[in-house]
Amino acid sequence: EDQVTQSPEALRLQEGESSSLNCSYTVSGLRGLFWYRQDPGKGPEFLFTLYSAGEEKEKERLKATLTKKESFLHITAPKPEDSATYLCAGEKAAGNKLTFGGGTRVLVKP
Amino acid sequence: DTEVTQTPKHLVMGMTNKKSLKCEQHMGHRAMYWYKQKAKKPPELMFVYSYEKLSINESVPSRFSPECPNSSLLNLHLHALQPEDSALYLCASSFMGQGRTDTQYFGPGTRLTVL
Repeated sequence: EDQVTQSPEALRLQEGESSSLNCSYTVSGLRGLFWYRQDPGKGPEFLFTLYSAGEEKEKERLKATLTKKESFLHITAPKPEDSATYLCAGEKAAGNKLTFGGGTRVLVKP
Repeated sequence: DTEVTQTPKHLVMGMTNKKSLKCEQHMGHRAMYWYKQKAKKPPELMFVYSYEKLSINESVPSRFSPECPNSSLLNLHLHALQPEDSALYLCASSFMGQGRTDTQYFGPGTRLTVL
């Protein structure tokens, strides 16, 4: 059975305190690993797609990496506006379901 | 532009009401999705339309009825809902091209409360 697991469930950071979120997956025939950011009561906002082990992508203070078994989202020197729930999801085929992890709720305190 | 719009933003309905949620995109995407999300949980897939045909139905109760009138519009018709159906309903769309994979772009959601 396809599975995506995120850890930790919640993360409290001081502003400027860098950290990493983990997403481990067992999705047979994975075509893409996605990261989304979701603010309370809003839809997920697309951040990154990773296709193959060794791939890295960056956007502002966020950097996503992918290995054969897991993906990491690194938050460098976070700011309070980085507070959100970060979701990762695996996709097997276009027009198919995303298998989501449970999310990591990040709170960055000033 | 990667915008998916949803209306209404909020909906309160009784268990005997009939209402509809609407979703629209003008990105030329050929796949559209309905998800349900409960508080502090990830989105759960309900339906997928590919090229305006229902391709995935995740065993959703018949009180939820999807409709795809054209490639830009997706509706979710609601009837005789239960209080446990209260949730954030999310619409998403994706291109369905020949590329490596297919990014799903989400709308802002409709917050549904069933009394």
